[in-house]
Amino acid sequence: EDQVTQSPEALRLQEGESSSLNCSYTVSGLRGLFWYRQDPGKGPEFLFTLYSAGEEKEKERLKATLTKKESFLHITAPKPEDSATYLCAVQSANDYKLSFGAGTTVTVRA
Amino acid sequence: DAGITQSPRYKITETGRQVTLMCHQTWSHSYMFWYRQDLGHGLRLIYYSAAADITDKGEVPDGYVVSRSKTENFPLTLESATRSQTSVYFCASSMKPGGSYEQYFGPGTRLTVT
Repeated sequence: EDQVTQSPEALRLQEGESSSLNCSYTVSGLRGLFWYRQDPGKGPEFLFTLYSAGEEKEKERLKATLTKKESFLHITAPKPEDSATYLCAVQSANDYKLSFGAGTTVTVRA
Repeated sequence: DAGITQSPRYKITETGRQVTLMCHQTWSHSYMFWYRQDLGHGLRLIYYSAAADITDKGEVPDGYVVSRSKTENFPLTLESATRSQTSVYFCASSMKPGGSYEQYFGPGTRLTVT
């Protein structure tokens, strides 16, 4: 069974204070690892897909990296608008379902 | 481009009543999914569908029924609602093999069972 563990559960940052979120996973053959952003009262919004160890993807202040056992979402010089819950999910090679972690709630104070 | 829509956005119903949540996507995606999201449990898969007339159970299917007669629609029915089914429900869709597998989510339906 695929498992995804995200840490920390919550992260409070000062504006401009860079940090990283962790997503540890176990999966029988990784097809893809996905990062989503979820704002309160809204559906998850797709951010990145990572397919193989060593791959990196960037979007504005966010950078996602992937190893064979975990992924990191780096937030560089965050702004208050980066406040959200960030979800990680994995998809195994023989399936098209996603297994989600519980998420990390990021709060950025001005 | 409407994308993926859900209706109603909010619903209050009584225990024992049947309620149907609607999901419609305009991308012609083959795969569609229903999740529920609860505090402490994250997103849990209820049912999914690979194509019209093909559906399968996810992690928490008990008490739910789905159908998919058309590619663009994937309704979720609670046959006899219970308080434990109070939750936020999200529909999602993704492309067929050969395309990307990321899922795109609707805005959600907040269901309260009294």
